[in-house]
Amino acid sequence: AQKITQTQPGMFVQEKEAVTLDCTYDTSDQSYGLFWYKQPSSGEMIFLIYQGSYDEQNATEGRYSLNFQKARKSANLVISASQLGDSAMYFCAMRDVYSGGGADGLTFGKGTHLIIQP
Amino acid sequence: GAGVSQSPSNKVTEKGKDVELRCDPISGHTALYWYRQSLGQGLEFLIYFQGNSAPDKSGLPSDRFSAERTGGSVSTLTIQRTQQEDSAVYLCASSLTGLNEKLFFGSGTQLSVL
Repeated sequence: AQKITQTQPGMFVQEKEAVTLDCTYDTSDQSYGLFWYKQPSSGEMIFLIYQGSYDEQNATEGRYSLNFQKARKSANLVISASQLGDSAMYFCAMRDVYSGGGADGLTFGKGTHLIIQP
Repeated sequence: GAGVSQSPSNKVTEKGKDVELRCDPISGHTALYWYRQSLGQGLEFLIYFQGNSAPDKSGLPSDRFSAERTGGSVSTLTIQRTQQEDSAVYLCASSLTGLNEKLFFGSGTQLSVL
């Protein structure tokens, strides 16, 4: 079974500072994918970034980067130059690449509530 | 459509009533997922559809929950004899093939059971 742990239930950060949101995972699978989603107050889940377990480079998408440390089973999200609009819930998730076509869906952590202060 | 569409956006019902939640995935997406999100919690996986194939129902929380997907497109999640603990946001997502790729989520249905 897969498990995602996000140890920061809430964070307050000053605007323009960089933010690191922690995520550790547990799986016995060799091939897996790691995802980060943002959920603003509107409720919709917005995909941010993806990292495959065999990707040698850390994933980057604009201001988002994923600090992937496979040996530590860590997949922290880094947001550079935070903005007020970054205030939201952030969820780390994973899935087994060979899960029979998604039969287990994504396993989500409990999320981190990020608040950016002016 | 342009995105995953869910209806209704809000549903208030009385304990014991049946409810139906609808999800219209992105056109061409073969994979469809239902998740439940209780207040302040992460997402709980409920069920997954791949095209017209029969789904794995083992993630459904009780036999009061059922889901179907007609024609490999629109899906309906039905909760019979609703209980107060069913109150949550029900999120639907779709993806192109169901393999290791990102999911596109709808805005959810906020279900309140009084």
